[in-house]
Amino acid sequence: QQQVKQSPQSLIVQKGGISIINCAYENTAFDYFPWYQQFPGKGPALLIAIRPDVSEKKEGRFTISFNKSAKQFSLHIMDSQPGDSATYFCADGGKLIFGQGTELSVKP
Amino acid sequence: EAGVAQSPRYKIIEKRQSVAFWCNPISGHATLYWYQQILGQGPKLLIQFQNNGVVDDSQLPKDRFSAERLKGVDSTLKIQPAKLEDSAVYLCASSLAGRAAYEQFFGPGTRLTVL
Repeated sequence: QQQVKQSPQSLIVQKGGISIINCAYENTAFDYFPWYQQFPGKGPALLIAIRPDVSEKKEGRFTISFNKSAKQFSLHIMDSQPGDSATYFCADGGKLIFGQGTELSVKP
Repeated sequence: EAGVAQSPRYKIIEKRQSVAFWCNPISGHATLYWYQQILGQGPKLLIQFQNNGVVDDSQLPKDRFSAERLKGVDSTLKIQPAKLEDSAVYLCASSLAGRAAYEQFFGPGTRLTVL
């Protein structure tokens, strides 16, 4: 089964800092590259997604960068806030194969 | 707009017992998914329905897991008999027909503990 590999597993960032989470994929036939956010006790929620013909997409403080040649896409959270503390998942946008998750903690 | 509803929220059973989970998707959503999320891992797709037909059940352990979606609305997922390794959160998600697979809405999940 195709893999989606996410790093780091956990991340601690100071309030106001930049959080960066990376995702490597194997299959180049994805239609979309999404990121999900999951708070404890809740289901994942779609945060932002990018098409493979676009190199970057920004929505508020959240940016996806896509590097097709390296088969990687990353999530950048600018001006990280304590409310951003959650687990983030990248996924294969077609079959919804999820990465292992990155637990982000933003310290005040 | 009401979200995806799931019940129960928590369930504790002994191994070899059976258990059932219920999901009510967002009104009008034709596509319904069941996922298993083991602690510390990403969700794993178990089964996908389009209306009341199965689209993908390739990762459903069919010797013990079953799912149905009668009338194309609510769905139930059953485990019989349960094993210790079935301890996980079972997530239900739904999406509009024709939308990309990633554009789905998740319920809060049912946390299953098998003792």
